[in-house]
Amino acid sequence: QQQVKQSPQSLIVQKGGISIINCAYENTAFDYFPWYQQFPGKGPALLIAIRPDVSEKKEGRFTISFNKSAKQFSLHIMDSQPGDSATYFCAASENSGGSNYKLTFGKGTLLTVNP
Amino acid sequence: DAGITQSPRHKVTETGTPVTLRCHQTENHRYMYWYRQDPGHGLRLIHYSYGVKDTDKGEVSDGYSVSRSKTEDFLLTLESATSSQTSVYFCAIRKTANTEAFFGQGTRLTVV
Repeated sequence: QQQVKQSPQSLIVQKGGISIINCAYENTAFDYFPWYQQFPGKGPALLIAIRPDVSEKKEGRFTISFNKSAKQFSLHIMDSQPGDSATYFCAASENSGGSNYKLTFGKGTLLTVNP
Repeated sequence: DAGITQSPRHKVTETGTPVTLRCHQTENHRYMYWYRQDPGHGLRLIHYSYGVKDTDKGEVSDGYSVSRSKTEDFLLTLESATSSQTSVYFCAIRKTANTEAFFGQGTRLTVV
């Protein structure tokens, strides 16, 4: 069972455009939703994260929108730049105590921003 | 950069041989994770640890075992390597549950 579903698999955007990547989850116990950015040959790095007590979080050109009732969250990249070309992963985890501290990832979106 | 070192960075091994990958951290973080990354599958959790000698399975744990005898080291062992275990392996650490995870640079393993 895939706990975090991410779409699209790939995305091509023109410079200056808006990139939108979507994720959906099933586990209502998830309470932490990060997005990671990965460049070729590197490990993923945290881009931005949100908790379910807010519906939106913005950091510079990057915004997470969160819809708790729909169990969906999305990443918006405004004014997309060629340097944003990378693979983006959404993820989710829960803090349910005990030993359940898994961090579950979506399958990733390869973003290409054309100059 | 978070103090995470994965070793080796690259390895080619033969089918049927045991292989151990090492993740070493200098951050004293409690939680450590092993993921594999394959095209079309994203990052899949193999095993994770929530303390010394406390480990649990992830979604793709078959054929893998782990050990954590010290806070700073988390070892991943492929008991008898198969070609399906050719992948890039990432270690990650977290200070507490539901906080940022820091990733290592990865180990590219090829099983021939």
